[in-house]
Amino acid sequence: EPEVTQTPSHQVTQMGQEVILRCVPISNHLYFYWYRQILGQKVEFLVSFYNNEISEKSEIFDDQFSVERPDGSNFTLKIRSTKLEDSAMYFCASSDWQGLLSGELFFGEGSRLTVL
Amino acid sequence: GIQVEQSPPDLILQEGANSTLRCNFSDSVNNLQWFHQNPWGQLINLFYIPSGTKQNGRLSATTVATERYSLLYISSSQTTDSGVYFCAVDTGFQKLVFGTGTRLLVSP
Repeated sequence: EPEVTQTPSHQVTQMGQEVILRCVPISNHLYFYWYRQILGQKVEFLVSFYNNEISEKSEIFDDQFSVERPDGSNFTLKIRSTKLEDSAMYFCASSDWQGLLSGELFFGEGSRLTVL
Repeated sequence: GIQVEQSPPDLILQEGANSTLRCNFSDSVNNLQWFHQNPWGQLINLFYIPSGTKQNGRLSATTVATERYSLLYISSSQTTDSGVYFCAVDTGFQKLVFGTGTRLLVSP
């Protein structure tokens, strides 16, 4: 069964360092997303991406964050200068948009980021 | 923005018991999904159910879009059902809004 894969599964970094989280979405999907979940809290939307550009982003997704699809398969989230409060589980998701109805989103296993 | 509330927040069951989890939302939705977050943090798709009823083994879900709620039924619960259950809705802006979850513990 097709699945979304994420790397790394866990990353520990020092405050102020740059981090890149990588995702391989399901191959025939056209819409890509990043979500995050701070420990013990609900999952929050960060950004959606379609046709090589951001289509929607939340207030959380400030100038420290960027997304990119550098080739035909990978989708990356970059945090330029990490802060303690960026510690969270980051989920990548992809979907096959279905016109008026939103397609089902499929999530990767998550990348746990710990900022020290 | 849309509000998504889940109840109960916590639920403890004996193995074999049945349960109903509820998700209320404050606006019309294009998409509703139920997820199970297992103890390792993975989000497992359970149902994509913007309306109607679906069943998958011991689990079933019903969404009544006109009344803005969805129900997840778990029958004959097993210890492996433990975890957090989230509903999430999309109002058409390509982003899912998650509820706060129901934490389920099934004891042997």
